[in-house]
Amino acid sequence: SQQGEEDPQALSIQEGENATMNCSYKTSINNLQWYRQNSGRGLVHLILIRSNEREKHSGRLRVTLDTSKKSSSLLITASRAADTASYFCATGGERLQAQLWSRTMDSSYKLIFGSGTRLLVRP
Amino acid sequence: DSGVTQTPKHLITATGQRVTLRCSPRSGDLSVYWYQQSLDQGLQFLIHYYNGEERAKGNILERFSAQQFPDLHSELNLSSLELGDSALYFCASSVGEEQPQHFGDGTRLSIL
Repeated sequence: SQQGEEDPQALSIQEGENATMNCSYKTSINNLQWYRQNSGRGLVHLILIRSNEREKHSGRLRVTLDTSKKSSSLLITASRAADTASYFCATGGERLQAQLWSRTMDSSYKLIFGSGTRLLVRP
Repeated sequence: DSGVTQTPKHLITATGQRVTLRCSPRSGDLSVYWYQQSLDQGLQFLIHYYNGEERAKGNILERFSAQQFPDLHSELNLSSLELGDSALYFCASSVGEEQPQHFGDGTRLSIL
């Protein structure tokens, strides 16, 4: 099952406009990442924001994180036709520690991807 | 170029068969992750290896198995293939957990 859900599922804008995509998630997280996928290709990491950060910038990208609302947004400013792709948020969960006798065991860390937003930037 | 290499790029086989997908991580990355991407299920985490040891399992079927070798390359074995196993299989690597993951271009598996 998906942890993150992006909204909208699809977005069509004119070149030069800004594109905003939202992501909501369900459980506590350590960090949230945004990835981009061109058709038929592998995902490319865009930006990582930690749970104690509220906003982060990278070039034309701005990511916000609101842990109280369990949501994040990705803003792409001054969009270009080359920005046409699918965008995914991915959440990394809390690492749980359990005491078993005298050993501390770390649980595994998993990155769970949302269903993605398909962005079309028209020239 | 992410530095992650997956082979083969395409694989066409029949139901009931067994295939092996191979992944070479970025130089220096100890973590390897496998994902399955299909139209109906989206991108699903399968399994994670760190420096040769299995670290996490996701929605991986019992018919599927993986391993990471001493040279850090990884293989995903899919057996008793069914039509529903047709998908893109991605490998990703990272320096460690909670770090950005770098994806290969995937293996497109088609079951006829």
